Amino acid sequence: ETGVTQTPRHLVMGMTNKKSLKCEQHLGHNAMYWYKQSAKKPLELMFVYSLEERVENNSVPSRFSPECPNSSHLFLHLHTLQPEDSALYLCASSHSSGGGEDTQYFGPGTRLTVL
Amino acid sequence: DQQVKQNSPSLSVQEGRISILNCDYTNSMFDYFLWYKKYPAEGPTFLISISSIKDKNEDGRFTVFLNKSAKHLSLHIVPSQPGDSAVYFCAASAEDSNYQLIWGAGTKLIIKP
Repeated sequence: ETGVTQTPRHLVMGMTNKKSLKCEQHLGHNAMYWYKQSAKKPLELMFVYSLEERVENNSVPSRFSPECPNSSHLFLHLHTLQPEDSALYLCASSHSSGGGEDTQYFGPGTRLTVL
Repeated sequence: DQQVKQNSPSLSVQEGRISILNCDYTNSMFDYFLWYKKYPAEGPTFLISISSIKDKNEDGRFTVFLNKSAKHLSLHIVPSQPGDSAVYFCAASAEDSNYQLIWGAGTKLIIKP
């Protein structure tokens, strides 16, 4: 498998559930990202990992917990979410995290619905 | 307040004609600009970029123009093809924001046969 993959593609969860989103990149990149895209809104950067260390955390609520066990895998652990957290969650990777010229490659996203 | 704005949520263009997608920004420190394209059920894919030291970059049917004084960039697609129907996102980065990409909300382009 090539590129950036995300599982599951769709997820429906209640506010008391705990679930995890998974991202895997097969591009040999060192940086991975989580974005949130709400309807009709810009992509919002949530977290950035570079060489498995978190380098950015853009004021994301603690009910979202990222994990990067190695440079190929990135998880987003979800617990006690709110209905307004319903959105498309996109994972991306790039060669490094230090430059705008470093093209980011995206996965297909996980469509999350919180009931 | 959004630093990158795409004021047209959608645009409809006849096949074969030119499509012009616009993007405005407010941060004068942005020095690199990108366009991404997104099909339904897929993630965004990189299309074309431009550095602030240039005012034009061309790649096949796609040309990006940058007007720094107006803080405006545009993406021209000519001739437009049915496969160009997608959502187009403008994004920008600056050294003072750790090169994080700041995104516009996207413009949905519809190419009519």
